[in-house]
Amino acid sequence: DQQVKQNSPSLSVQEGRISILNCDYTNSMFDYFLWYKKYPAEGPTFLISISSIKDKNEDGRFTVFLNKSAKHLSLHIVPSQPGDSAVYFCAASGRFNAGNMLTFGGGTRLMVKP
Amino acid sequence: EPEVTQTPSHQVTQMGQEVILRCVPISNHLYFYWYRQILGQKVEFLVSFYNNEISEKSEIFDDQFSVERPDGSNFTLKIRSTKLEDSAMYFCASSDQQGTNSGNTIYFGEGSWLTVV
Repeated sequence: DQQVKQNSPSLSVQEGRISILNCDYTNSMFDYFLWYKKYPAEGPTFLISISSIKDKNEDGRFTVFLNKSAKHLSLHIVPSQPGDSAVYFCAASGRFNAGNMLTFGGGTRLMVKP
Repeated sequence: EPEVTQTPSHQVTQMGQEVILRCVPISNHLYFYWYRQILGQKVEFLVSFYNNEISEKSEIFDDQFSVERPDGSNFTLKIRSTKLEDSAMYFCASSDQQGTNSGNTIYFGEGSWLTVV
């Protein structure tokens, strides 16, 4: 099941620069998208979300962009900090899922170098 | 900040044994979930639970699995007869609303690491 894909398994960025994490999806019925951050041996921590009625949502250093026609979303972190180093998962859900099931991508490991 | 709590953090069990993983969701939340992540793989949905019944379950959630809300605060996942391939991190999660028009943020616990030997 590859409905949500994160094609870059890892990304390395210098502190202070922008980190751009990408996510693609195939199911056009998805209408809500979330980004989670995960440290080893911990649960996913919610970062930011976006509804399909929007194309951008911003929260502090984090901005999520949604391109529905391309079925693509991205997470921008500006400026990147060493504490941002973690695995980032995008997830998607849709009203067709009666139980609010989230479908996760495979994750991208972000390393922010001091 | 309210959080989802899970116990145990780590459990080692013999193949064929029953395991119960426990969760205390965020107190005003009504929707509860179990997800799992096998080492090196994606986070996968297992089951969602609302109003004392399962609202959705995945193919992974077969007859060996069951969920229960035995009282007003706990939410449990039981694996009746564990198999080696059940070894994974199991995440409990909760949310306060259903439907995605207004957003549906699901908050996760720290996870219970299950090792079946």
